[in-house]
Amino acid sequence: SAVISQKPSRDICQRGTSLTIQCQVDSQVTMMFWYRQQPGQSLTLIATANQGSEATYESGFVIDKFPISRPNLTFSTLTVSNMSPEDSSIYLCSVVRDSGGQTQYFGPGTRLLVL
Amino acid sequence: GDSVTQMEGPVTLSEEAFLTINCTYTATGYPSLFWYVQYPGEGLQLLLKATKADDKGSNKGFEATYRKETTSFHLEKGSVQVSDSAVYFCALTQAGTALIFGKGTTLSVSS
Repeated sequence: SAVISQKPSRDICQRGTSLTIQCQVDSQVTMMFWYRQQPGQSLTLIATANQGSEATYESGFVIDKFPISRPNLTFSTLTVSNMSPEDSSIYLCSVVRDSGGQTQYFGPGTRLLVL
Repeated sequence: GDSVTQMEGPVTLSEEAFLTINCTYTATGYPSLFWYVQYPGEGLQLLLKATKADDKGSNKGFEATYRKETTSFHLEKGSVQVSDSAVYFCALTQAGTALIFGKGTTLSVSS
C-alpha cells in the first residue's frame, strides 16, 4: 500500500471563498484521482490528476470550479472555488502505485463544511 | 456504462452473526472487483479484491468470490464483531481507470 496524507483534515469555510486541499504520497505513484463524497452518499470521481498536464474531468465537474494541480509524482492539490453550501462534502484523493495496477488506495479525506 | 448495485442498508446484526452483503455489477470486459470499508469519521480502506473470475479475496475474516456467471461479488463473514460496524462499498475498475462505486451498505453490530 501507500501512505497518503491530506491537508487540511477538515475545515469550515464561508460561502464565496476557496479552499485548496493537498494530497501527499510517500512514494511515486502512476495515477492520482480526486473523489467527492456528499453527506450519506457514495463516492463520485471529480477528475484524474495528470502529472505535468491538465487534469481530466468527469461529466459535471469543470476546471474553473475544481482546479487541480499535479506538479510531480507524489503530490497533487484540489481547489474548491467560490464555495457554496452544496460543496459541503468529504474530498478524497486516491492513488494507483504501479503502472498497469488497478488497486486504488485512499487518503484519509478532507471534511469540508461550507456555511 | 458500467455500474455496481449493492443491497440496501442498514444491516443490523448481533455479535457473532453471519454477514452477507450482496453486490452485483454490470460491465463490459473483465473488471477488477473490490470491497472498501469506511469506519465512522475515517477515509476508505481497501478490504479485499479479486482481479479475475473465480478469484476469492479475503482479509480480516471477510471473503468475497468473483462470480462471472452471476456477475456478483458478495461479501461474507462468518462471525461479525462490534468493531466491524462501518459502511461497506463494492466497487469495480477496468484497466486502471477510476473506480465505480456502489451506494454503500451500513453495517451495525450490537453486543
